[in-house]
Amino acid sequence: SAVISQKPSRDICQRGTSLTIQCQVDSQVTMMFWYRQQPGQSLTLIATANQGSEATYESGFVIDKFPISRPNLTFSTLTVSNMSPEDSSIYLCSVVIPAYGYTFGSGTRLTVV
Amino acid sequence: DQQVKQNSPSLSVQEGRISILNCDYTNSMFDYFLWYKKYPAEGPTFLISISSIKDKNEDGRFTVFLNKSAKHLSLHIVPSQPGDSAVYFCAAAGRITNDYKLSFGAGTTVTVRA
Repeated sequence: SAVISQKPSRDICQRGTSLTIQCQVDSQVTMMFWYRQQPGQSLTLIATANQGSEATYESGFVIDKFPISRPNLTFSTLTVSNMSPEDSSIYLCSVVIPAYGYTFGSGTRLTVV
Repeated sequence: DQQVKQNSPSLSVQEGRISILNCDYTNSMFDYFLWYKKYPAEGPTFLISISSIKDKNEDGRFTVFLNKSAKHLSLHIVPSQPGDSAVYFCAAAGRITNDYKLSFGAGTTVTVRA
């Protein structure tokens, strides 16, 4: 299975600023996803990161707020833009290798003050 | 619209006893189901999965049962250990339609009492 390095592991940010989260995978993977877990809630899919093209966003999430880059098959970034306290969550990247299953990064705990 | 539901937010069980966690789903296109364990401030850790062609899968202390007609699955942990105290998420995907996106339940917090 794949190994994911996600950073930063946590950050405290001022409202109105932006934070970029990085995920580095140790092998080439086609399918990569970004999830959010708000306090006390389940994991919700933000978008599918597509290599070389624009990400596919789920209902309720937009590119202006959560721009995603996927320059190659081993790396992706998620930016949380113009942050407000409501964006305080754990953000996770995940990859799928059909023969091996799903792997998640360790998560980024974001607190917006 | 929650397609995967875990109706029990918490479960307390004595060490050594069986923990049973339940999950229901509504999307008939789901054909692959997973259970994850999550500690605070960590990413989810895969526990066990089951494909819709099976009704049971066992891995050590963990067994998942799938009842397709009822759109219900359950995770049995036996015997329960203190290290099992965590939040458990049920998740589902529709791989047969090439949809690998996971839909998660709300989670069940398990507390194992010594």
